Amino acid sequence: EVQLVETGGGLIQPGGSLRLSCAASGFTVSSNYMSWVRQAPGKGLEWVSVIYSGGSTYYADSVKGRFTISRDNSKNTLYLQMNSLRAEDTAVYYCARSVSVAEYYYYMDVWGKGTTVTVSS
Amino acid sequence: EIVLTQSPGTLSLSPGERATLSCRASQSVSSSYLAWYQQKPGQAPRLLIYGASSRATGIPDRFSGSGSGTDFTLTISRLEPEDFAVYYCQQYGSSITFGGGTKVEIK
Repeated sequence: EVQLVETGGGLIQPGGSLRLSCAASGFTVSSNYMSWVRQAPGKGLEWVSVIYSGGSTYYADSVKGRFTISRDNSKNTLYLQMNSLRAEDTAVYYCARSVSVAEYYYYMDVWGKGTTVTVSS
Repeated sequence: EIVLTQSPGTLSLSPGERATLSCRASQSVSSSYLAWYQQKPGQAPRLLIYGASSRATGIPDRFSGSGSGTDFTLTISRLEPEDFAVYYCQQYGSSITFGGGTKVEIK
């Protein structure tokens, strides 16, 4: 069964750092595009970052320079390193397997249940 | 950035009725790279439609997508109790953006 399980969320003070993990089963992370999408409380969905199967990475302007997406092929796990966290980063963070229809073009077909990040003093 | 505007914000309908949800883009979405997702409270989004009109695996045929260019529609032919949820459109033809969502609630 294809499954994604996110961990690593929690309460963190502004300016702090947190690393989210997304363990995959039933498919190979490194063979797919993998994305992070977040949802602030009571709000809609916001794309955060993607890593292509070839290793290229891209970020939303709102997190560029502060967040880093990566993967560990041996663990079949996706990561999101979040630094310099702000109150506006408070959200549920989902990882999602992404289907590429052509380079740069992809949609999300499998989602994890999410992990909650709260940035507050 | 392509802005997606979904309407209406809330749709109040009864089980068995037809639901028509709209998603309008601020500029043309290339190659109909548009997807629809369903989200229930406390759950992750679920892919329904990709490529504007292709149903994802396991999605009932009461869900259908249509449209091209800047105007897209998700239709639920006969609402089942489990279909009451929030629906988001997403374009993937120019980076990734999501619409603000349409809530389908029980009337």
